[in-house]
Amino acid sequence: SQTIHQWPATLVQPVGSPLSLECTVEGTSNPNLYWYRQAAGRGLQLLFYSVGIGQISSEVPQNLSASRPQDRQFILSSKKLLLSDSGFYLCAWTHGGNQPQHFGDGTRLSIL
Amino acid sequence: GQQVMQIPQYQHVQEGEDFTTYCNSSTTLSNIQWYKQRPGGHPVFLIQLVKSGEVKKQKRLTFQFGEAKKNSSLHITATQTTDVGTYFCAGPRPNAGGTSYGKLTFGQGTILTVHP
Repeated sequence: SQTIHQWPATLVQPVGSPLSLECTVEGTSNPNLYWYRQAAGRGLQLLFYSVGIGQISSEVPQNLSASRPQDRQFILSSKKLLLSDSGFYLCAWTHGGNQPQHFGDGTRLSIL
Repeated sequence: GQQVMQIPQYQHVQEGEDFTTYCNSSTTLSNIQWYKQRPGGHPVFLIQLVKSGEVKKQKRLTFQFGEAKKNSSLHITATQTTDVGTYFCAGPRPNAGGTSYGKLTFGQGTILTVHP
């Protein structure tokens, strides 16, 4: 069966520090991958998606970037974190089309 | 751009009462999906509706897709404390070329609180 892993589960970082969040999927190949951010009590904002290795599309201009170095690995990064980068970051995968999305457990990021 | 709106934003009910959340899209949708997020958890897929006017049931949950495929609803009969969480609807989010690549536009969600 397919599983999706995200780490770390929680992270506290100072303003201006770098960021790297990792997401891996097991049990499937060539998934579509997505990064979302969720502010407290709010909906999910799509940040990036990828349909293949090295292919990244950004949905909103921001301080973050994404990379997909391997088929089942998706990384969210920042060179310098801002206070506004705080939130709950979720990675998800699907086989595309109209298939449902499957989410990881998320990373709670607090910026001090 | 495409917008998906949900109402109400919050709903507080006594255990045993019914609950309904409504979802409206600014564009016609090929399908609509519903997700549930428990407090502190991640969204979990509940169901997908595809056909105009479709109604699907999962135990006490009834999902409906509007005739015009622009609105949907989720109704929970006789809520239980296990129903607590945020319910999201989501529709395909196509690029300018019309391909969604599985992307979704999520509504803001309805936060359900159930008092025992």
